[in-house]
Amino acid sequence: GQQVMQIPQYQHVQEGEDFTTYCNSSTTLSNIQWYKQRPGGHPVFLIQLVKSGEVKKQKRLTFQFGEAKKNSSLHITATQTTDVGTYFCAAVAGKSTFGDGTTLTVKP
Amino acid sequence: NAGVTQTPKFQVLKTGQSMTLQCAQDMNHNSMYWYRQDPGMGLRLIYYSASEGTTDKGEVPNGYNVSRLNKREFSLRLESAAPSQTSVYFCASSSRGVIYEQYFGPGTRLTVT
Repeated sequence: GQQVMQIPQYQHVQEGEDFTTYCNSSTTLSNIQWYKQRPGGHPVFLIQLVKSGEVKKQKRLTFQFGEAKKNSSLHITATQTTDVGTYFCAAVAGKSTFGDGTTLTVKP
Repeated sequence: NAGVTQTPKFQVLKTGQSMTLQCAQDMNHNSMYWYRQDPGMGLRLIYYSASEGTTDKGEVPNGYNVSRLNKREFSLRLESAAPSQTSVYFCASSSRGVIYEQYFGPGTRLTVT
């Protein structure tokens, strides 16, 4: 079956540093979605990538979809304390499979 | 618009007890989902309903049953709760299938003793 690996599991950064999480699938995807879950909260949709090599930006967040549509990344520039939480990818290939998430903590 | 609502927010059960988790959405979505989230882990799909009148098993369906009562409501039932079912349960909905973004409810925190 489809396997989705997300790395790293945890990331601790100083405020102002950059952060990247990676999502890798064992199968070619039709699209990939990214979600953010604040501590004690529920997942909230951030963005969806559909095209091979697609890059989308949301303020300090940059999302990329690999050329082979098997991997994706989320990069945050100059992290802020409001960025803390767990970032999940959801890999879609007929069905949707969530990665285990990367938990980001930011030290002020 | 309330989005996706879930009841109850918290629940403590004894082993062997049964209960139903309720979920409703007001976005006129066709598809609805039930997930469980264990500490430090991602979301695992229990059951989903692609459209009103249909339900299908997800990754971890054992010990659970679902009912798609109408387009708005999708309930999850634990017939005989076990400690392994201690988890946070999220309901979600999407416009039409997983190619569309999912909107999550606030979750139900269930403890089985």
